[in-house]
Amino acid sequence: EVQLVESGGGLVQPGRSLRLSCAASGFTFDDYAMHWVRQAPGKGLEWVSGISWNSVSIQYADSVKGRFTISRDNAKNSLYLQMNSLRAEDTALYYCAKVPGPVGLYYFDYWGQGTLVTVSS
Amino acid sequence: DIQMTQSPSTLSASVGDRVTITCRASQSISSWLAWYQQKPGKAPKLLIYKASSLESGVPSRFSGSGSGTEFTLTISSLQPDDFATYYCQQYNNYRTFGQGTKVEI
Repeated sequence: EVQLVESGGGLVQPGRSLRLSCAASGFTFDDYAMHWVRQAPGKGLEWVSGISWNSVSIQYADSVKGRFTISRDNAKNSLYLQMNSLRAEDTALYYCAKVPGPVGLYYFDYWGQGTLVTVSS
Repeated sequence: DIQMTQSPSTLSASVGDRVTITCRASQSISSWLAWYQQKPGKAPKLLIYKASSLESGVPSRFSGSGSGTEFTLTISSLQPDDFATYYCQQYNNYRTFGQGTKVEI
């Protein structure tokens, strides 16, 4: 059974940093690209970032480019999101999501339950 | 950037109704479109991919159609478990979601 478990969320002041983690199990992690998607409270879904199976191809939404860094450790079956220079508008539930391929254009076939990031002074 | 626009934003329906949700893309995305269902406090669940392919385990009352810029999600006979918010998502160029359609009683 595919499982994605996010952690690392919390309350952080504007301008500070936070690192999210996603622990994957139930599938061969290094066969698939992985993504982060967020959802502000009461709002819709926003794609944040994605990384190919081998970390060669990385993409970011314009809203986080230059502030967020996605990475993965295939030996640990883990995905990460380093978030710097956080803003109030980054407040959201952050989901880790799997796609059904190693790289390229895919939909999200599995999602974690999310970790909440609140940016406030 | 490709914009995705769903209509309606809210839909009131009854059990047994046929329900249709529309999603329009700001430019052609071929068939690179997915539909998700989200219930309160839960992660989104994949229903349809490549515009019309039903994800394994999803009831056959759900169907998707369209290509290019206009797409629809149809629920043939609404069931109590189907009251939720539905999102379309393009994956032709990066990834963009529609704003969601809430299906309520």
